[in-house]
Amino acid sequence: NAGVTQTPKFQVLKTGQSMTLQCAQDMNHEYMSWYRQDPGMGLRLIHYSVGAGITDQGEVPNGYNVSRSTTEDFPLRLLSAAPSQTSVYFCASSTASGGGSNEQFFGPGTRLTVL
Amino acid sequence: KNQVEQSPQSLIILEGKNCTLQCNYTVSPFSNLRWYKQDTGRGPVSLTIMTFSENTKSNGRYTATLDADTKQSSLHITASQLSDSASYICVVRASGTYKYIFGTGTRLKVLA
Repeated sequence: NAGVTQTPKFQVLKTGQSMTLQCAQDMNHEYMSWYRQDPGMGLRLIHYSVGAGITDQGEVPNGYNVSRSTTEDFPLRLLSAAPSQTSVYFCASSTASGGGSNEQFFGPGTRLTVL
Repeated sequence: KNQVEQSPQSLIILEGKNCTLQCNYTVSPFSNLRWYKQDTGRGPVSLTIMTFSENTKSNGRYTATLDADTKQSSLHITASQLSDSASYICVVRASGTYKYIFGTGTRLKVLA
């Protein structure tokens, strides 16, 4: 099991460029999510998905798009990068259940700098 | 507003000593509380998950407690090791949602 993988590890963009952060998991998890982590702040939820074809917004969705065409993959798209999107991005996955006590597994992160 | 607050922000201890980290939350309705360890440059890794009915859970030298009445949790680390140097993050999930509220973490440094 590779767990949750993210690519790239590092990325530098210029303001206005677009790019896609990749996330994949091989644990057959229904739930996947994207977070950003900024200094002095807790992780904040950007978007999440509870299954293929189902996505929803989190706390800070503006400037980001997601889609979920397969169970394994959950890419995050930056439409027009801004310096405020400089951050470390984490993808996470877990089983989805009503009880909610499912362990959430995180990827290694993508460090993005927007100039 | 749903919030998770942790204290202290940072902590330095000597190897072999014990320490306790605190977490207070205002998330309602409550589903569960998690503690994660995050090494520098890595993603968080789960240490414990506690539901409303659990008030203590251990994972090796890590012991988490939960008081759902006062909405407080603590993480106790016994006989600290250099490898315990990391950020420890408290996370609360609200019932009926897929959203997790993260604290800002306590940065622990263990010195030889």
